[in-house]
Amino acid sequence: DIQMTQSPSSLSTSVGDRVTITCRASQSISSFLNWYQQRPGKVPKLLISAASSLQSGVPSRFSGSGSGTDFTLTISSLQPEDFATYYCQQSYTTPYSFGQGTKLDIK
Amino acid sequence: QVHLVESGGGVVQPGRSLRLSCAASGFSFSGYAMNWVRQAPGKGLEWVAFISHDETDKRYAESAKGRFTISRDNSKHTLFLEMSSLRIDDTAVYYCARDGWVAATRTTFDCWGQGTLVTVSS
Repeated sequence: DIQMTQSPSSLSTSVGDRVTITCRASQSISSFLNWYQQRPGKVPKLLISAASSLQSGVPSRFSGSGSGTDFTLTISSLQPEDFATYYCQQSYTTPYSFGQGTKLDIK
Repeated sequence: QVHLVESGGGVVQPGRSLRLSCAASGFSFSGYAMNWVRQAPGKGLEWVAFISHDETDKRYAESAKGRFTISRDNSKHTLFLEMSSLRIDDTAVYYCARDGWVAATRTTFDCWGQGTLVTVSS
């Protein structure tokens, strides 16, 4: 099975900060990597698919990159609504697996 | 507008069974694969099961194999998860999620229901 490891697990940040979250797969997954945002008490939302493809309606301050085993999610300038937990997920093969999550909170 | 509504959750004793349903609307249900994803209280996301649009392909997480069965009724636009031999660690919110599979991305969970809480407790 493919293990997904995110870092950091949590991050205290401020509005306007640039934030980078990393996700590492235990084996190569090509570009089959998706990112989700889950705001407190809400349902997860797909942000980015195929490592770097922004979903319709997602602000351009979000971007993704990477291939193989190492991936990043970058938020260029944090907005108040971005304080949430972010998960990566590999879609290379079943069993599909998620990272443990990265929680962004207000410093 | 895509709408997924789960039901069937509740409190159940260890070893018992429960059947979850997910009613879909706003899209061509029979044309999409579907998944169940769960989230234990305060924990992360865990994929549970996948079913192809025509039920010919079903896949399960190791934690679900032999105990859970995913199925669907395309005529009623409904997804199911039959859970048996429930354990304490099956306690979670269970989400149904549409599979936005395309060749470039493979499986994505592109639309989610609000979830239904399953609590396994004696």
